[in-house]
Amino acid sequence: DAGVIQSPRHEVTEMGQEVTLRCKPISGHNSLFWYRQTMMRGLELLIYFNNNVPIDDSGMPEDRFSAKMPNASFSTLKIQPSEPRDSAVYFCASRPGTGLEKLFFGSGTQLSVL
Amino acid sequence: AQRVTQPEKLLSVFKGAPVELKCNYSYSGSPELFWYVQYSRQRLQLLLRHISRESIKGFTADLNKGETSFHLKKPFAQEEDSAMYYCALSTYGQNFVFGPGTRLSVLP
Repeated sequence: DAGVIQSPRHEVTEMGQEVTLRCKPISGHNSLFWYRQTMMRGLELLIYFNNNVPIDDSGMPEDRFSAKMPNASFSTLKIQPSEPRDSAVYFCASRPGTGLEKLFFGSGTQLSVL
Repeated sequence: AQRVTQPEKLLSVFKGAPVELKCNYSYSGSPELFWYVQYSRQRLQLLLRHISRESIKGFTADLNKGETSFHLKKPFAQEEDSAMYYCALSTYGQNFVFGPGTRLSVLP
């Protein structure tokens, strides 16, 4: 298995533009998480899904952020409109179930909003 | 609510010295505890977890339920151990909560 796959690896955009980050979890995994990593705030949970259903989105910063999981093999995190303070590394992670299994992380998307 | 704290943002030790990265958690039930490591510009990867006693690179951690701690230890630090270390907590059916992280710097 190729692991959790995220695209793009790097994204540079201008303030006000729409940004879409993509994630393909490991096949068979039922839980998917989106995290944001910054120097100031560390690793923040944005949202997580169980069986394609959003369970907790309380970490989503504001209405500019939205996440979807239309099927078990694909999820998107969208920022519209983007702002410079959104610049961060965004990680996607998945795990087999809703129990106590470990998380498998993707390589992250480095987002820079100018 | 679940919470994980790591009191040290940065820890510097010399090569060959023992290292201990502190982690405390708050949860009323029986959580599963993890340590993740992130080397420069790489993805987070599991270092060890309590329930299965998985461990790599000589690191160990003991769960102390009385003190609600899960400190990470290694008897002799190596330069390649320099990285960001995250303590994390998971409970059944709930999300995965990470601490703020500790940056370990092993000096030659």
